[in-house]
Amino acid sequence: GDQVKQSPSALSLQEGTNSALRCNFSIATTTVQWFLQNPRGSLMNLFYLVPGTKENGRLKSTFNSKESYSTLHIRDAQLEDSGTYFCAAHSAGNKLTFGIGTRVLVRP
Amino acid sequence: DPKIIQKPKYLVAVTGSEKILICEQYLGHNAMYWYRQSAKKPLEFMFSYSYQKLMDNQTASSRFQPQSSKKNHLDLQITALKPDDSATYFCASSQDGREDERLFFGHGTKLSVL
Repeated sequence: GDQVKQSPSALSLQEGTNSALRCNFSIATTTVQWFLQNPRGSLMNLFYLVPGTKENGRLKSTFNSKESYSTLHIRDAQLEDSGTYFCAAHSAGNKLTFGIGTRVLVRP
Repeated sequence: DPKIIQKPKYLVAVTGSEKILICEQYLGHNAMYWYRQSAKKPLEFMFSYSYQKLMDNQTASSRFQPQSSKKNHLDLQITALKPDDSATYFCASSQDGREDERLFFGHGTKLSVL
């Protein structure tokens, strides 16, 4: 919880717009994962990151280990992007630690 | 097609009863996990198994018992159910059980204890 802080806690987006979600880490993080929990409750793994950037369709994620944060950018938001986005951090010797999530609602 | 199958999707139980949550994965992974998601809390790690052996247990209560009959199965037996056990329980898997591996989740079993 406190070791992985997600912001904002909630976000409302107009369809077709862009936005960014952020995770700040207070632990020395080696890898980051981003998940989307859709409105039906299923959890999907979006990204697995070592320091650097990955892109998948309209989603792009960056992990900056030196400054202890990760971002998830949503480009041209679609209705199916609605859900709760979780980041999770791994630090050496520890279990994956999850943030509390960012609830995203994409409006038509 | 879902590669991690959890059954049932929804479950209602009475206080004091016992239930088994089923999980099967078809990703060819060697490690499986259980997580719990309660309202307004982060996903909480419960158990990890690797090659059918218990690797880690961070559940305080012995009422929660994982059961692995096959490498790709990890069921969760919950006894003497309490209302506080109400949550969504997620099964997950990864390749070998290293803590930094990519994690894949099932769709969850939403348990309500009355």
